[in-house]
Amino acid sequence: EIVMTQSPATLSVSPGERATVSCRASQSISSNLAWYQQKPGQAPRLLIYGASTRATGIPARFSGSGSGTEFTLTISSLQSEDFAVYYCQQYNNWLRTFGQGTKVEIK
Amino acid sequence: EVQLVESGGGLIQPGGSLRLSCAASGFTVSNNHMNWVRQAPGKGLEWVSVIYSGGNTYYADSVKGRFTISRDNSKNTLSVQMNSLRAEDTAVYYCAREVVDVMTVDWYFDLWGRGTLVTVSS
Repeated sequence: EIVMTQSPATLSVSPGERATVSCRASQSISSNLAWYQQKPGQAPRLLIYGASTRATGIPARFSGSGSGTEFTLTISSLQSEDFAVYYCQQYNNWLRTFGQGTKVEIK
Repeated sequence: EVQLVESGGGLIQPGGSLRLSCAASGFTVSNNHMNWVRQAPGKGLEWVSVIYSGGNTYYADSVKGRFTISRDNSKNTLSVQMNSLRAEDTAVYYCAREVVDVMTVDWYFDLWGRGTLVTVSS
């Protein structure tokens, strides 16, 4: 099983500031990584796939980077609707695994 | 409208069985790769099982031998039969469609239901 480790667990950011979430894979997964956003009481929402491709309708302030074992999700200027929990997920093999989540909260 | 709607959750005693269903609309379940993903209260997401369009099925180690994923083509639904339930199976269960970008061969969950809560407790 590929273990995905996110950091930090919680990120306190002021509106308008940049937020950066990291995700590390226990072995190389090439660019086989997606990012999801989840708000309380809602299902996850796809943000990024292929480590850096924004899903349809996702604002340009969301960007992803990385390959191999190290990945980053960046939100360039946080809006009020961006405060949520973010998960990375690998699809390098059939056993999909998620990171434990990073909560982005208002500072 | 393209959507997924889960049902069948509830309170069940340890050792009991429960069957969850996921009704799809706007697309054909059998032509897609369909998954169950769960989320324990206050915890993160855990992939549970997949049934590929070709029929192959896979399970997380935590549920292997206890859960069985299936689909009903006539009803356009996805199901999971959960047996020998444990307290640690308590979670919101989501069904999710997984698609493949044919150009880049990237996979992702593009459509999720709202989930159904399963509580395993005596």
